[in-house]
Amino acid sequence: EDKVVQSPLSLVVHEGDTVTLNCSYEVTNFRSLLWYKQEKKAPTFLFMLTSSGIEKKSGRLSSILDKKELFSILNITATQTGDSAIYLCAVVKGETSGSRLTFGEGTQLTVNP
Amino acid sequence: NAGVTQTPKFQVLKTGQSMTLQCAQDMNHNSMYWYRQDPGMGLRLIYYSASEGTTDKGEVPNGYNVSRLNKREFSLRLESAAPSQTSVYFCASRQWSSYGYTFGSGTRLTVV
Repeated sequence: EDKVVQSPLSLVVHEGDTVTLNCSYEVTNFRSLLWYKQEKKAPTFLFMLTSSGIEKKSGRLSSILDKKELFSILNITATQTGDSAIYLCAVVKGETSGSRLTFGEGTQLTVNP
Repeated sequence: NAGVTQTPKFQVLKTGQSMTLQCAQDMNHNSMYWYRQDPGMGLRLIYYSASEGTTDKGEVPNGYNVSRLNKREFSLRLESAAPSQTSVYFCASRQWSSYGYTFGSGTRLTVV
């Protein structure tokens, strides 16, 4: 059975801290791994990772994939209260036309001032 | 604005009632999806439609039916709502050439 596991499930930090969110997976026919940020409503796209060892960066956020060890991490440096959200990891599996996402449980990040 | 539109945004049903959640996208995407999100469980796939005219079950299809009405629209029907179907429902769409998914803003459904 396909599994995507995120840790920790919740995290409370102070502004300025650096956080690392983890995502491990066991999925057949892996295509890529996606990270999403979810505040009040719909998940919004952060990163797509397809190749091992290549870091993706966007401002204070960065992410990397290890396809040998089957995990990914999402780093957030100098956290701000606006980073408070649920961070979702999802794995794309299947053929191009019929691919679908399998999500992890999410990490609830709270950044206190 | 271009994107995925879901209606309604909120709904309260009594056990046994039926309803249809509507989803439409205007990005000419091939594939469309219905997910439900429950606390501590991430998003789980209910049904998806890889292309117009096809539908397939996801992880949690029991109690639901879907219709891919045309390329733009993908509806989710609850024939006889149960309290276990209380959840937030998200519709998403994707173009085959990309693995990027676009999500609607969700429907919060409560079954009492």
